[in-house]
Amino acid sequence: AAGVIQSPRHLIKEKRETATLKCYPIPRHDTVYWYQQGPGQDPQFLISFYEKMQSDKGSIPDRFSAQQFSDYHSELNMSSLELGDSALYFCASSLGGDGNTIYFGEGSWLTVV
Amino acid sequence: EDQVTQSPEALRLQEGESSSLNCSYTVSGLRGLFWYRQDPGKGPEFLFTLYSAGEEKEKERLKATLTKKESFLHITAPKPEDSATYLCAVQAYGDSWGKFQFGAGTQVVVTP
Repeated sequence: AAGVIQSPRHLIKEKRETATLKCYPIPRHDTVYWYQQGPGQDPQFLISFYEKMQSDKGSIPDRFSAQQFSDYHSELNMSSLELGDSALYFCASSLGGDGNTIYFGEGSWLTVV
Repeated sequence: EDQVTQSPEALRLQEGESSSLNCSYTVSGLRGLFWYRQDPGKGPEFLFTLYSAGEEKEKERLKATLTKKESFLHITAPKPEDSATYLCAVQAYGDSWGKFQFGAGTQVVVTP
């Protein structure tokens, strides 16, 4: 079965650079979630979208922005990168935004040097 | 403030040695409790959703239970392929769906 696809899988950026992560949800899923997992830490909710509208926001820095497009894929844009942004970024998706199982992608590793 | 605490942090088991993982939670109103399995460098893999105290769910060697304050994940006769980090997450009423509060996880190693 098709899963959540994230790209790139690995990304190395320098401080103050910009990075964009992409997420392709499971076909027909209309809700996307972004999580950040630092080394040895539990996943932290960043932001979510339902039908291309932002539905909630968590501990997402102002330097980060995200959107969901008409084909339901989502992009997380991160600017002025800091060393502390190095983490595994997960995208997850579900069919509908309420009460349905949430499936996670494999994650995108971002290393800021 | 919502809080999820998992114990133990790490667990080393012999193949066939059954054990339980604990997830205790403090949340204003529990809408759902989730168990995920995470392999190193991979995304969390969905295992179970529990909604109300007394509920139980099973899948192969795993069984999840829920009380008003905690959840247990029982691993019966584990095999080496059950080695992973097991994450517990809670969904509170008042939060949008999918805004989970995760625990720190229990790292399970099953040796042959």
